Amino acid sequence: DAGVIQSPRHEVTEMGQEVTLRCKPISGHDYLFWYRQTMMRGLELLIYFNNNVPIDDSGMPEDRFSAKMPNASFSTLKIQPSEPRDSAVYFCASTLNRVRYGYTFGSGTRLTVV
Amino acid sequence: AQSVSQHNHHVILSEAASLELGCNYSYGGTVNLFWYVQYPGQHLQLLLKYFSGDPLVKGIKGFEAEFIKSKFSFNLRKPSVQWSDTAEYFCAVNPSGGYQKVTFGTGTKLQVIP
Repeated sequence: DAGVIQSPRHEVTEMGQEVTLRCKPISGHDYLFWYRQTMMRGLELLIYFNNNVPIDDSGMPEDRFSAKMPNASFSTLKIQPSEPRDSAVYFCASTLNRVRYGYTFGSGTRLTVV
Repeated sequence: AQSVSQHNHHVILSEAASLELGCNYSYGGTVNLFWYVQYPGQHLQLLLKYFSGDPLVKGIKGFEAEFIKSKFSFNLRKPSVQWSDTAEYFCAVNPSGGYQKVTFGTGTKLQVIP
């Protein structure tokens, strides 16, 4: 099993540009989560999906952020337009329908907005 | 809503010292509890988990944690740390039964000095 796969690993972009982060969950996992990690705020849940349907997006900071999960094997997190305060590491995680198994995290995307 | 407190933000130990990292949660019902580890520059990995049964849980790499329900605590322990244990450790909790959202603590950075 290749685990949760995220791309790109690093992204440097200019303020105002659109950024798209990608995630492929573990096959068979039906929950997918997007987290943001910063020194100041720690690990924040942005949004999560169950069976490709967004369940809770209350953590999405503002309308500039959007996430989709068109099928069970792919999700995107988009920031448009990007701002320097969006600089962070963005993690995707997936799990089976019983969270007692714990999450499997991807390697993250380090986003730098200059 | 549940919350998690990790009171130690930064811990420095010498190799072979014993480790105990505190974790307290607030939630009135039954919970699942987790410890995750994040090595420098890497993603979070599940260290151990508790959801029922024996309150003393053993995880990977010699770590263990004890669930004390009366104290709402789930402290992480290791009898003898190694330099390779240098990492950030996150405690996490979620209510049992249905709702999948996991709440993470703010993390404790452990630095082990050779």
